[in-house]
Amino acid sequence: DAGVTQSPTHLIKTRGQQVTLRCSPKSGHDTVSWYQQALGQGPQFIFQYYEEEERQRGNFPDRFSGHQFPNYSSELNVNALLLGDSALYLCASSLWIEETQYFGPGTRLLVL
Amino acid sequence: DQQVKQNSPSLSVQEGRISILNCDYTNSMFDYFLWYKKYPAEGPTFLISISSIKDKNEDGRFTVFLNKSAKHLSLHIVPSQPGDSAVYFCAASAEEYGNKLVFGAGTILRVKS
Repeated sequence: DAGVTQSPTHLIKTRGQQVTLRCSPKSGHDTVSWYQQALGQGPQFIFQYYEEEERQRGNFPDRFSGHQFPNYSSELNVNALLLGDSALYLCASSLWIEETQYFGPGTRLLVL
Repeated sequence: DQQVKQNSPSLSVQEGRISILNCDYTNSMFDYFLWYKKYPAEGPTFLISISSIKDKNEDGRFTVFLNKSAKHLSLHIVPSQPGDSAVYFCAASAEEYGNKLVFGAGTILRVKS
């Protein structure tokens, strides 16, 4: 039973570029949430997708957008990258009706 | 506004002894609490959780205690093992807010052999 997978594992971009991160949820899960973890901090909630719609959104600008596909996988897109977007991006999956979320290994994004 | 706080950045414990990690929260709407463990270069791993209708939950060496009146929870690890050395995150959620997780900043646990 595969857990949550994310790709790529590492990414280097320059300021102003755009990036797309991908996530496949744990088998049987229907909800995907994205978090940003800066160095030395806890993960910060970006947004959550269920039934291909954004259901909840944290305090992140519109440069951060996402999508969920019919197979429940998800993408996180960040436009006009800033140096401050450098972080570990974590995807978590769950069942919509349950509270516990399971995390993938993350994508480490470095913006130069 | 830091709604979930882990005030101890680090904790060092001898192998075989008890590790106690603490977490405080400010939002009384939180109704579900979780602990995650994180190794370097990996994502957080779910350890144990507790609903606000309970005050204790056990799973093997891990026990979580919840004191709602004090808005405080703690994770007890007994006995501590060197493999428990990791960063531990406390997280809280509220059905009212769609179960998004609000995390503390984490506590680094070092178990010395």
